[in-house]
Amino acid sequence: DAGVIQSPRHEVTEMGQEVTLRCKPISGHDYLFWYRQTMMRGLELLIYFNNNVPIDDSGMPEDRFSAKMPNASFSTLKIQPSEPRDSAVYFCASSFQGGPYEQYFGPGTRLTVT
Amino acid sequence: AQSVTQLDSQVPVFEEAPVELRCNYSSSVSVYLFWYVQYPNQGLQLLLKYLSGSTLVKGINGFEAEFNKSQTSFHLRKPSVHISDTAEYFCAVSGYSSASKIIFGSGTRLSIRP
Repeated sequence: DAGVIQSPRHEVTEMGQEVTLRCKPISGHDYLFWYRQTMMRGLELLIYFNNNVPIDDSGMPEDRFSAKMPNASFSTLKIQPSEPRDSAVYFCASSFQGGPYEQYFGPGTRLTVT
Repeated sequence: AQSVTQLDSQVPVFEEAPVELRCNYSSSVSVYLFWYVQYPNQGLQLLLKYLSGSTLVKGINGFEAEFNKSQTSFHLRKPSVHISDTAEYFCAVSGYSSASKIIFGSGTRLSIRP
């Protein structure tokens, strides 16, 4: 298996632009997680899905952030409009069942908003 | 709700020396505990986990951790570190429910000196 795939790996954009991050989870996994990692705040869970349904989006910072999972093999995290404080590494992870089951992380997307 | 505290943000050690990375957790219910490792420019990967049974858990790359319920700790140890162990290490906790989120600590950066 190729593991969790994220694209793009790097994204540089200007403030005010729309940014879309993409994730393909491991086949057969039914949980998908979006995390954000920064030096100041560490690793934060933004939202997670179970069987394509959003379960908990309490970590989404504000309305500028939205996430979708239209099918079991694809998810997007969108920021519109982007701001410099959104600069971070965004990770997608998937797992077979939730709770104590191992989460498999993708390589991350490094987002820089200028 | 659960929380995790990693007491050291950075731990420098010499190659072939032993190391202990400290982790304490807080929870009103029984929990599962994890250690994840993040190598430079990569996503997190599972090092080991405690679900039940023996309180001494062995993981990959020669690491082990001991669950201590009375002290609510789950410290990570390795008897002899290598340069390749240079990474950031995250302690994490989750509740028993499959819907439980994994809560990550703030991370400990392990740097190995030759």
